[in-house]
Amino acid sequence: NAGVTQTPKFQVLKTGQSMTLQCAQDMNHEYMSWYRQDPGMGLRLIHYSVGAGITDQGEVPNGYNVSRSTTEDFPLRLLSAAPSQTSVYFCASSRWGGRKINTEAFFGQGTRLTVV
Amino acid sequence: QQQVKQSPQSLIVQKGGIPIINCAYENTAFDYFPWYQQFPGKGPALLIAIRPDVSEKKEGRFTISFNKSAKQFSLHIMDSQPGDSATYFCAASSTNTGNQFYFGTGTSLTVIP
Repeated sequence: NAGVTQTPKFQVLKTGQSMTLQCAQDMNHEYMSWYRQDPGMGLRLIHYSVGAGITDQGEVPNGYNVSRSTTEDFPLRLLSAAPSQTSVYFCASSRWGGRKINTEAFFGQGTRLTVV
Repeated sequence: QQQVKQSPQSLIVQKGGIPIINCAYENTAFDYFPWYQQFPGKGPALLIAIRPDVSEKKEGRFTISFNKSAKQFSLHIMDSQPGDSATYFCAASSTNTGNQFYFGTGTSLTVIP
């Protein structure tokens, strides 16, 4: 099993450009999420999904879009990149037991994004 | 507003020492408290987790101590090794919100040989 795979690993964008960060998992997990990691801020939830066709916002959703057409894939789109979106982005997946159960999150290796 | 406050920001110990990382929270709805370990260039990985019905949990050299009344929990690493050098994140979530985690700001641990 590859686990959670993120591409690309590194990306430099110009302000105003758009791009999609890819995330795929092969563990048949229903729950997938995107976090951004900034120095001194920890990891903050951007968007999450509890299954195909279902997405919701996290703590810091502005400037990002997501969709979930399959169980395996959960891409994150930056609509118009801004320097404030310079960060390391992590995708995570976990089993979904409903809102009464917490399960282990498996993280990808991250995408380091720089917006100039 | 940081839902989970973590300290210290960085920690340096000698091999064999016992580093302690502390976290505090305010939301009494939180009922699941994992610790994640992250090596440079890698994603975080679950290290150990605790629920508030117990005050301590041990897995190998790693121990979580939990104080429900003080709303605090801590990670202790016994007989620390250079290979433990990493960034450690505490986190919290509520069963009401499922897998939505709130992370601390992280502690960079260096274990000197």
